[in-house]
Amino acid sequence: AQTVTQSQPEMSVQEAETVTLSCTYDTSENNYYLFWYKQPPSRQMILVIRQEAYKQQNATENRFSVNFQKAAKSFSLKISDSQLGDTAMYFCALSPPTQGGSEKLVFGKGTKLTVNP
Amino acid sequence: NAGVTQTPKFQVLKTGQSMTLQCAQDMNHNSMYWYRQDPGMGLRLIYYSASEGTTDKGEVPNGYNVSRLNKREFSLRLESAAPSQTSVYFCASSVIRGLRWPQHFGDGTRLSIL
Repeated sequence: AQTVTQSQPEMSVQEAETVTLSCTYDTSENNYYLFWYKQPPSRQMILVIRQEAYKQQNATENRFSVNFQKAAKSFSLKISDSQLGDTAMYFCALSPPTQGGSEKLVFGKGTKLTVNP
Repeated sequence: NAGVTQTPKFQVLKTGQSMTLQCAQDMNHNSMYWYRQDPGMGLRLIYYSASEGTTDKGEVPNGYNVSRLNKREFSLRLESAAPSQTSVYFCASSVIRGLRWPQHFGDGTRLSIL
């Protein structure tokens, strides 16, 4: 079974500071993808960043970067220079390979991030 | 660009009523999905459709049916709504088979069952 665990239900950070959100996962597969999705109060799910399991290099997207530790099955998200617009729920998700080709995302329960002015 | 469009955005039902949630995507994606989001539970997969003409059960399919009407549309039906189905429902789509393609989500439907 595939599982994703986000151990921090809520976090807060001051504007312009850096914050790291934790995510651990479990899968027996060797080839998979990991994603971070952002869900602001508007409720829309927005892809933040993704990581391919076979790539050792950590993915980065502007102020967002990940620390991917495959052996430890850890996939944390670092947000640098936090902005008020980063206030949202953040979901870590695992996409294991599936027979039939349709990728089924397994989500963590989310971390509510509040950026304070 | 509309992306993934869900209708309605809000709905209140009485226990036992039936309802169909509609989802359409204009990105020519092959795969489509229905999730539900409950407080403290994250998103859970209800059903998915790998391609036009195929559907499969996800993690929590009981009480739901789906129809992949064509490549663009994937509907979710509650035949006899129950209070336990009160949730926010998300439709998503992805390009093709292959792990690298992320899922794109609609804005969700907030469904309350009294």
